[in-house]
Amino acid sequence: DAKTTQPTSMDCAEGRAANLPCNHSTISGNEYVYWYRQIHSQGPQYIIHGLKNNETNEMASLIITEDRKSSTLILPHATLRDTAVYYCIVRVAGGNQGGKLIFGQGTELSVKP
Amino acid sequence: GAVVSQHPSWVICKSGTSVKIECRSLDFQATTMFWYRQFPKQSLMLMATSNEGSKATYEQGVEKDKFLINHASLTLSTLTVTSAHPEDSSFYICSARDLRGPDTEAFFGQGTRLTVV
Repeated sequence: DAKTTQPTSMDCAEGRAANLPCNHSTISGNEYVYWYRQIHSQGPQYIIHGLKNNETNEMASLIITEDRKSSTLILPHATLRDTAVYYCIVRVAGGNQGGKLIFGQGTELSVKP
Repeated sequence: GAVVSQHPSWVICKSGTSVKIECRSLDFQATTMFWYRQFPKQSLMLMATSNEGSKATYEQGVEKDKFLINHASLTLSTLTVTSAHPEDSSFYICSARDLRGPDTEAFFGQGTRLTVV
């Protein structure tokens, strides 16, 4: 699976959009970009994933560049409860690859009042 | 999303004893379960992958005789930390996924905090 690079930490004001970048310059054509987050002392929570098109769900939006070498997770209106470590992971979708998720160091997002 | 339940949420045990952690998928059948370990201020580290009815596959550096994994049914996997020592104190997290259908998400349990004294 391709390696990802994320900033160690970021701050965001409550109510503003949080934009979390991720670099995955070695991504392969069949690898998806996944985002998870982990609130302190809890298990990770799935946020969103995509292949090459931008994706949006009730939690966030995922913007993937045209060359797929980087992406941005957008939380449109951050709240204090969005304070967490956000992980960007690339992996091959489908059963043959075993579905392992390998976590990097992630970005620690602090939403401040 | 789907629910994965871990039990216990926390456990304290004496050095030299064994501890069993359960991971259950409550509303779906998990063909594959993953076990992670997380030390303070660090990321999750994958320990092993288990498929229902077969032996677990351990990541490099993880002792299979110390961390026994059983995945006897499509809804239950267990991790037993044998002869636990203080350095085994950590946050253990399971993840479950059904690989039979179209690409599905991996769902995580709430974690088990193990303290060995």
